[in-house]
Amino acid sequence: GAVVSQHPSWVICKSGTSVKIECRSLDFQATTMFWYRQFPKQSLMLMATSNEGSKATYEQGVEKDKFLINHASLTLSTLTVTSAHPEDSSFYICSARGAGTGTREQYFGPGTRLTVT
Amino acid sequence: AQRVTQPEKLLSVFKGAPVELKCNYSYSGSPELFWYVQYSRQRLQLLLRHISRESIKGFTADLNKGETSFHLKKPFAQEEDSAMYYCALEGASGSRLTFGEGTQLTVNP
Repeated sequence: GAVVSQHPSWVICKSGTSVKIECRSLDFQATTMFWYRQFPKQSLMLMATSNEGSKATYEQGVEKDKFLINHASLTLSTLTVTSAHPEDSSFYICSARGAGTGTREQYFGPGTRLTVT
Repeated sequence: AQRVTQPEKLLSVFKGAPVELKCNYSYSGSPELFWYVQYSRQRLQLLLRHISRESIKGFTADLNKGETSFHLKKPFAQEEDSAMYYCALEGASGSRLTFGEGTQLTVNP
């Protein structure tokens, strides 16, 4: 089946620094990638949708300048948390959907645990 | 607007008992409904979708448009079914997935 990877799997950074998280589709081309945030024991909240080669569409309440998303190729999307603060600590999950598959299925990455100290 | 509600945060049953995880939705058009499962320390994975009308690991789910429900059922629960289950809805083709709050299922021996 389709595999999505994320790197790193966990990261600790100091307040005020920036962190980049990568999401890759390993065996298929992902025209659309999604970024979610998940708090402990809570559901996934969609942060933004990114289509390859175009600007990401952010959900209401998500700061575009803080969570920079780039989807420069059909297999890679990145999420950069700029000037991170402790409240940005969370589990970030990406998913990817392939092109022309006729299915709406999204394939999920394993997630990245971000801790901001 | 699309919304998914899973009324039970926690559900505990004994092995061999039937289990039903409830999911209700609101959407004005024709939605596509999914059940995702997340086992401990693993990634979220698709369990089943309503258009496939399939049974996966003994689980089935029927879309009831009249009641706007998509409950997940299994006649005989197994310990390995213990996991977090999310119901999700997608509206128009290519649109976003909306997840319910999730139900933590525990199957006791």
